Amino acid sequence: NAGVTQTPKFRILKIGQSMTLQCTQDMNHNYMYWYRQDPGMGLKLIYYSVGAGITDKGEVPNGYNVSRSTTEDFPLRLELAAPSQTSVYFCASSYEGITQYFGPGTRLTVL
Amino acid sequence: KNEVEQSPQNLTAQEGEFITINCSYSVGISALHWLQQHPGGGIVSLFMLSSGKKKHGRLIATINIQEKHSSLHITASHPRDSAVYICAVRSNTGNQFYFGTGTSLTVIP
Repeated sequence: NAGVTQTPKFRILKIGQSMTLQCTQDMNHNYMYWYRQDPGMGLKLIYYSVGAGITDKGEVPNGYNVSRSTTEDFPLRLELAAPSQTSVYFCASSYEGITQYFGPGTRLTVL
Repeated sequence: KNEVEQSPQNLTAQEGEFITINCSYSVGISALHWLQQHPGGGIVSLFMLSSGKKKHGRLIATINIQEKHSSLHITASHPRDSAVYICAVRSNTGNQFYFGTGTSLTVIP
């Protein structure tokens, strides 16, 4: 099993550009999460999903959108990138919200 | 105020020392997690606790639900234990997770 994979690993965006961060898991987990990690700060939950077709906001959802059309995929969309969205983004999955398995992260810089 | 507070923020230890990292939380929880973030950034789940104590190798995690406090202990520390240790709690009112800012541990040979 590959576990949780994320693409891309690194990305630089200009202010106002859009992009999608991809996340895929092959463990048949029902729960999936998107977090951001800013320097010196704890992980913050952006969005989560408890199953295909079901998504909900986390602590810091503004400026992001998600969809969950399949069990495996949980992409995160940034529509109008802002410098405040410079961060490291982690995707995670779990079965029934128990142990979370994290992807390797995407380092995003918005200039 | 953060829902999850960890102490200390930074910790340097000599190889072989016994290490304790503390976590306090202010919300009702259904479970508490300890995570390890490697210097390269990867995050690994170490423990999930809802009561009592768990042990895995040289790592021991305890939780006191009444006091809203958990500790992570590392016995006979080793340089490969150098990492950031993160405490996280799952709220008992939904699917929200709250994370501490982490404890950066450096073990010197």
